[in-house]
Amino acid sequence: SQQGEEDPQALSIQEGENATMNCSYKTSINNLQWYRQNSGRGLVHLILIRSNEREKHSGRLRVTLDTSKKSSSLLITASRAADTASYFCATDTFYNQGGKLIFGQGTELSVKP
Amino acid sequence: DAGVTQSPTHLIKTRGQQVTLRCSPISGHKSVSWYQQVLGQGPQFIFQYYEKEERGRGNFPDRFSARQFPNYSSELNVNALLLGDSALYLCASSSPGQGLEQYFGPGTRLTVT
Repeated sequence: SQQGEEDPQALSIQEGENATMNCSYKTSINNLQWYRQNSGRGLVHLILIRSNEREKHSGRLRVTLDTSKKSSSLLITASRAADTASYFCATDTFYNQGGKLIFGQGTELSVKP
Repeated sequence: DAGVTQSPTHLIKTRGQQVTLRCSPISGHKSVSWYQQVLGQGPQFIFQYYEKEERGRGNFPDRFSARQFPNYSSELNVNALLLGDSALYLCASSSPGQGLEQYFGPGTRLTVT
């Protein structure tokens, strides 16, 4: 079963705009990670945020985590056509650190040039 | 450094047949996890192996089995294939001493006809 849900399921924006994706999960977590997947290929790790962190930045990526609401958001600033991909959040629990990741269903992002 | 490699890239099998998928982790990584990704959904956890021992198993039938070899490579076996087993099978490796991120291979696309 899926741990969480991403919102929206699909997002279409113009190059240069910001893209925001949200993820909600059901159970207490240890860490939350975001991954990108291009055209049904392997997943690329983007960023990890620990349960005791509230915000993290990496280049054009900004991730927030609200454990009280069991939700996270991924912001991609100044988007590029190359950012077109599916984005997944994944959580692990205190009992499955580094092993079992539980993924959401993903947000499909389309960035138009 | 080579990333996670998987073979074969694509595979077509008939219902009732058996299939073996292979994965080589990043050099130095001792943990391998397997995921199944059905079209349009997020990956679902199947197995995790660490130091050749099974550390976790997802909600999959006994037709699914795996093992890890002394060189930390891994095989996923699926017996008595069903149409519903058609999916992208992803392998990920990680090293607990180097963080909790998992590094994914390109996947094996299995089609069952």
